[in-house]
Amino acid sequence: EVQLVQSGAEVKKPGESLRISCKGSGYSFTNYWISWVRQMPGKGLEWMGRIDPSDSYTNYSPSFQGHVTISADKSISTAYLQWSSLKASDTAMYYCARHRVGATPFDYWGQGTLVTVSS
Amino acid sequence: SYELTQPPSVSVSPGQTASITCSGDKLGDKYACWYQQKPGQSPVLVIYQDTKRPSGIPERFSGSNSGNTATLTISGTQAMDEADYYCQAWDSSTVIFGGGTKLTVL
Repeated sequence: EVQLVQSGAEVKKPGESLRISCKGSGYSFTNYWISWVRQMPGKGLEWMGRIDPSDSYTNYSPSFQGHVTISADKSISTAYLQWSSLKASDTAMYYCARHRVGATPFDYWGQGTLVTVSS
Repeated sequence: SYELTQPPSVSVSPGQTASITCSGDKLGDKYACWYQQKPGQSPVLVIYQDTKRPSGIPERFSGSNSGNTATLTISGTQAMDEADYYCQAWDSSTVIFGGGTKLTVL
């Protein structure tokens, strides 16, 4: 069974750093890309960027370039999303999703990680 | 930058047909897909490559894409179909989501 299991909810203060994770199982992790998607409270889906776990090549949305870093460790089938300095506006639910190489749909999604940034 | 436009809300009576549109410049030249998201849940892919249904998605869900508009159609809408629906396409290696449509079954 294909699964993407994300790390648990986080509560952070502005200026703190954070890394959340997404562990894939039930499939060959390096055969699919992983994308990260943000959903702010009561709002729609926003694509942040993606990574090819086979070579760690990344591609970011212009809206998120420079604000977050996407990485992966293929040895443990895990992708990461990290911030070096959080802002209150980063408060959101973050989903990882897998898709085949190329311009393909997201066929499996993680359960989401809620990040709350508040002083 | 490329944009996809959806109506904020659509209402339908149980058993009737619901149509949700997604508009973008020459969208018909791209593949469109659709996701369903119920409150408190992760999105679920319901249509991909314009017209295809993933395994496990009921036959009442169908899609089309031509010109500037992709359409998600739900035939014989059921109460369980009440959810937010998002269209999605790729543009120059970038993923674009529509703003989402809240489907109300009443």
